[in-house]
Amino acid sequence: DGGITQSPKYLFRKEGQNVTLSCEQNLNHDAMYWYRQDPGQGLRLIYYSQIVNDFQKGDIAEGYSVSREKKESFPLTVTSAQKNPTAFYLCASSLATTLSNYGYTFGSGTRLTVV
Amino acid sequence: DAKTTQPNSMESNEEEPVHLPCNHSTISGTDYIHWYRQLPSQGPEYVIHGLTSNVNNRMASLAIAEDRKSSTLILHRATLRDAAVYYCILSLQGAQKLVFGQGTRLTINP
Repeated sequence: DGGITQSPKYLFRKEGQNVTLSCEQNLNHDAMYWYRQDPGQGLRLIYYSQIVNDFQKGDIAEGYSVSREKKESFPLTVTSAQKNPTAFYLCASSLATTLSNYGYTFGSGTRLTVV
Repeated sequence: DAKTTQPNSMESNEEEPVHLPCNHSTISGTDYIHWYRQLPSQGPEYVIHGLTSNVNNRMASLAIAEDRKSSTLILHRATLRDAAVYYCILSLQGAQKLVFGQGTRLTINP
């Protein structure tokens, strides 16, 4: 079955370490997105990509980096510059790069805890 | 970005219908109305979307006001598994991303 896979589901890291979250989709979707969710809050956009080797900053890109070397993959690196990295991270994809009549398919998320 | 307004929380009983309201008074003629829901510790899932006409699918119905300034997500017979946060989102013409608000936290009582 097609879908989006995020791994790992839970991730623990020491403060000051970089960490990379994986997101893979086999839906042949063009666009991919990373969102961050803090407890009791809505989703905030970190980065998005509409085509291979290109990506744009979202609302809270500072302290994060991404790459899009393959259509299927959009990994997110949480760097040591991110001041409050503990959060629930969600990856999504969309068939169309301009949404209107299309929506998102989400992964099941990665819960990152920095100690 | 066009904004939506939803109640922070709602409560209903199992096996009863639930009407979740959403106001979007600044909507333009080409903006789609999307609904997603998020169960605890999971990613959001698509529920339904529409433009002008009411829409039905196996999960829910979407009733859109004639002036399109508001809409209502209808769960016809709530179950405990419908307890979730429901997000009403406008997908703007040419938009490259969806903007999520706080949503409505729906509690279902047995």
